[in-house]
Amino acid sequence: QVQLEESGPGLVKPSETLSLTCTVSGGPITTYKWSWIRQPPGKGLEYIGYIDYSGYTDYNPSLRSRLIISMDTSKNQFSLKLSSVTAADTAVYYCARYWSALDFWGRGTTVAVSS
Amino acid sequence: EIVLTQSPDTLSLSPGETATLSCRASQSVGSIYFAWYQQKPGQTPRLLIYGVSIRATGIPDRFSGSGSGTDFTLTINRLEPEDFAVYYCQQYNFLPLTFGGGTKVEI
Repeated sequence: QVQLEESGPGLVKPSETLSLTCTVSGGPITTYKWSWIRQPPGKGLEYIGYIDYSGYTDYNPSLRSRLIISMDTSKNQFSLKLSSVTAADTAVYYCARYWSALDFWGRGTTVAVSS
Repeated sequence: EIVLTQSPDTLSLSPGETATLSCRASQSVGSIYFAWYQQKPGQTPRLLIYGVSIRATGIPDRFSGSGSGTDFTLTINRLEPEDFAVYYCQQYNFLPLTFGGGTKVEI
């Protein structure tokens, strides 16, 4: 059974960079696609982007200029870096496997942007 | 970007009834790459349906999906107390992936 777990700081200052890591267990990360999704408080789901086994990435156009998604196959992890954050980036951030739609999800990690 | 519009925003029903949730796309998304998710308060979204009508592992057969092109439907027969939640549709045929705004099924 594939399991995903997000990790990273729960608080980031405005204008700084939000960095999160998703650790995958139960299977190699060198298969499938791996995605980030976020959910602002009280709102719906927003696709952030994905990275696949070849390192190909796709980013939500609304975030593309601030976003980098990368992969570390030696650690079976993939990561998100979102720069120049504002309060609008406050959300629960989820990582998920993208295969038959988004079929396995992490529990999510809450990130607040505040000084 | 394909915009998905879900209706209604809220559906008030009783256990045992049937819920019919709709999702309309701003342009055709075909007939394959469409999914539905369930999210309960404080929990992670769970994949219910993918490929328009294929139930994910462990999803009971009272959940069914249908549709093609721009109109998709999630039907929940014989509502159980644990089915009261928010449901999101999603298309994954075109990038960026997009979600609908959600339908809350409440008692």
